[in-house]
Amino acid sequence: SQTIHQWPATLVQPVGSPLSLECTVEGTSNPNLYWYRQAAGRGLQLLFYSVGIGQISSEVPQNLSASRPQDRQFILSSKKLLLSDSGFYLCAWTSGGPAGTQYFGPGTRLTVL
Amino acid sequence: AQSVTQLGSHVSVSEGALVLLRCNYSSSVPPYLFWYVQYPNQGLQLLLKYTTGATLVKGINGFEAEFKKSETSFHLTKPSAHMSDAAEYFCAVSRSYNTDKLIFGTGTRLQVFP
Repeated sequence: SQTIHQWPATLVQPVGSPLSLECTVEGTSNPNLYWYRQAAGRGLQLLFYSVGIGQISSEVPQNLSASRPQDRQFILSSKKLLLSDSGFYLCAWTSGGPAGTQYFGPGTRLTVL
Repeated sequence: AQSVTQLGSHVSVSEGALVLLRCNYSSSVPPYLFWYVQYPNQGLQLLLKYTTGATLVKGINGFEAEFKKSETSFHLTKPSAHMSDAAEYFCAVSRSYNTDKLIFGTGTRLQVFP
């Protein structure tokens, strides 16, 4: 069966520090991968989308970036965190297709102080 | 462009009462529609989805939703609420036929009182 992992589960970082969040998927190949951010009371905001290794689409301009160095690995990064980067970050995968279910990871709670 | 509106950011019901969470969508093409549930500090889990065929869709945990094209709605219901149903619920619509990207509503937090 397929599983999706995210780490770390929680993170507290000072403003201006770098960030690296990791997401890995097991039990499937060539998944479409997503990074979302969930701010309190604001639903899910799609940040990045990837259909393959090295293929990243950015949905919104920001100081975050994403990379996909391996088929089932998706990394969210920042060189310098802002207070507004605080939130709950969710990774998700699908097997593709418009009716496909998105499967979400457990999330990372990021607090920037 | 596709969009989703969830009416009511908070809904409170008594245990055993009917649960009704409202979702209206706007789509230029026949939509694929989804309901997800999120428990505190966890990821989202699919409750049910409508793609084609039968307009009444049954999901997990006793939930169901009915696709009503004339009303552009996809409301989520459960006949009898349980304490364990307390969570946040998200309605979502597919962006188009050729992508698996979704547009999510802003969510409805369900509280269940004993």
